[in-house]
Amino acid sequence: EAGVVQSPRYKIIEKKQPVAFWCNPISGHNTLYWYLQNLGQGPELLIRYENEEAVDDSQLPKDRFSAERLKGVDSTLKIQPAELGDSAVYLCASSRTDNEQFFGPGTRLTVL
Amino acid sequence: AQSVTQLGSHVSVSEGALVLLRCNYSSSVPPYLFWYVQYPNQGLQLLLKYTTGATLVKGINGFEAEFKKSETSFHLTKPSAHMSDAAEYFCAVSDGTQAGTALIFGKGTTLSVSS
Repeated sequence: EAGVVQSPRYKIIEKKQPVAFWCNPISGHNTLYWYLQNLGQGPELLIRYENEEAVDDSQLPKDRFSAERLKGVDSTLKIQPAELGDSAVYLCASSRTDNEQFFGPGTRLTVL
Repeated sequence: AQSVTQLGSHVSVSEGALVLLRCNYSSSVPPYLFWYVQYPNQGLQLLLKYTTGATLVKGINGFEAEFKKSETSFHLTKPSAHMSDAAEYFCAVSDGTQAGTALIFGKGTTLSVSS
């Protein structure tokens, strides 16, 4: 079974530029998560989807961050405009109906 | 609200020695507990999990953890460390009454293994 796929793996941008991350979850996994991992810290939830519905986005900075999961499969996370403090690893995870989450390799964002 | 505290941001052991990584949690609901490992530039890999039932949980790569409700702990152990165990380890908790809820992670413990 293929794992969670994320792209790009690395992204370097100038501040104030937009950036987008893509995630393809494991087939059949209805729940999709985006986590933010700062250097030396554990991941923190940004948003959780049940199929195509965002059921927990309380930690998503909505002034600059947006996400979508059209058709309840792939998901895209966007930042516009990016700030220096957004430099981090963005992790995508997916799960079935139980609590075991499978993580992708992450996208490492550097904002200059 | 839930939280996780990992005692010791860095643990160093010799190859063949016991590995003990400490995790304490706080939860107002029955918790699900997890240990994940992260190698450099990779995502998180599940080592083991506690949901219900037996409190001693065995995972991959020889790791195990024991859920102690009275101590609100879920410490990770391995009898004999290997060089390949060097990595970042994260303890996490989620709401055990609602499937699919997000994980709350600790800050992580870096395990170093020397020969």
